[in-house]
Amino acid sequence: QKEVEQDPGPLSVPEGAIVSLNCTYSNSAFQYFMWYRQYSRKGPELLMYTYSSGNKEDGRFTAQVDKSSKYISLFIRDSQPSDSATYLCAMSAWSGNTPLVFGKGTRLSVIA
Amino acid sequence: DAGVIQSPRHEVTEMGQEVTLRCKPISGHDYLFWYRQTMMQGLELLVYFNNKAVMDDSGMPKDRFSAKMPNASFSTLKIQPSEPRDSAVYFCASSFGFLMDQPQHFGDGTRLSIL
Repeated sequence: QKEVEQDPGPLSVPEGAIVSLNCTYSNSAFQYFMWYRQYSRKGPELLMYTYSSGNKEDGRFTAQVDKSSKYISLFIRDSQPSDSATYLCAMSAWSGNTPLVFGKGTRLSVIA
Repeated sequence: DAGVIQSPRHEVTEMGQEVTLRCKPISGHDYLFWYRQTMMQGLELLVYFNNKAVMDDSGMPKDRFSAKMPNASFSTLKIQPSEPRDSAVYFCASSFGFLMDQPQHFGDGTRLSIL
């Protein structure tokens, strides 16, 4: 079992829909959680990061962490065609210089 | 602002040839990361540097891969000899510090095909 599991999709939704993207993980030491967005033929870019459990909101995006279930989510409200991309979760234990562990990414298409 | 610059953007070569990938990090960033991305494995960390010194290369096949950072503004990832299983997109990323609020900035990658 990989440390981080993420459904690759693809996920196709109509414009304006609420999108839910999820990752599960096995390492209970993870305490920093990130979501990266990757457009086609581009490098990933950081969308949001959270520490430990709880929610964080940024515009149309909300990140949730449930450490008891080892489950993280990214919600996108009022999805737009410009949100069409691959979304990668990433996490770190942060005990010293602990590198990020990435999920494989979920490919999202928002249809106008 | 110039982001992380990688070259070449595409490389097609035959098995057994030497391949050199290049990266120029963002000025002032002290961490540099090399990743490999495939459909099967996703994004995998190969090696990373802090102030030009290798911090962790446990993800890198050492028999054929080598990474160097001769100065703060340049790094190379070399594969010799190359094999078809090395075909992937290779990303370089840099960051200022290792804190979660200092994100890693990725280049646009080198798409490598080994025939």
